[in-house]
Amino acid sequence: ELKVEQNPLFLSMQEGKNYTIYCNYSTTSDRLYWYRQDPGKSLESLFVLLSNGAVKQEGRLMASLDTKARLSTLHITAAVHDLSATYFCAVDRANFGNEKLTFGTGTRLTIIP
Amino acid sequence: NAGVTQTPKFQVLKTGQSMTLQCAQDMNHEYMSWYRQDPGMGLRLIHYSVGAGITDQGEVPNGYNVSRSTTEDFPLRLLSAAPSQTSVYFCASRPDPGRGYTFGSGTRLTVV
Repeated sequence: ELKVEQNPLFLSMQEGKNYTIYCNYSTTSDRLYWYRQDPGKSLESLFVLLSNGAVKQEGRLMASLDTKARLSTLHITAAVHDLSATYFCAVDRANFGNEKLTFGTGTRLTIIP
Repeated sequence: NAGVTQTPKFQVLKTGQSMTLQCAQDMNHEYMSWYRQDPGMGLRLIHYSVGAGITDQGEVPNGYNVSRSTTEDFPLRLLSAAPSQTSVYFCASRPDPGRGYTFGSGTRLTVV
């Protein structure tokens, strides 16, 4: 059974600081996804990482994937208040027709002005 | 292009009642899934479909049925509602594996 763990579960940080959210998963996977959810809202796709060593950046967010360590990181640079949200990573298997996307429990990020 | 549309947005059911949560997408996506979101548990997969006429169970399928008669629609049926099914339900679609899912706005269901 594929398990996905995120840490920390809660993160409060000051504006302007850097921090990293970690996503570990239990079995071999080729595909990892990061999503953002604002309170009471739906999920928004942020990054899709499809291979070992993949790195993607959008604004102050950068995601990377190490399939050998079964680890993905979401790095926040010079945090701003607008980045306050819950961030989820999710993993699935690269088998044809396998749509069983497994989510982590999420990291609730609060940026303090 | 409306994306993924879910109805209703809110629903209160009595224990034992049945209902259907509707999900429609206009992006011609083959892959569709239903998730439920509960506090502290992330999102859990209920059922999914890889194309019209093809469905399969996810992590928590008990008490739910799905069908996929068209590419656009993927309704979720609660057979006999129970308080444990109180949750927020999300429908999502994507064109193929390796793409991020597009999520609907969610249905907040309360079973009393």
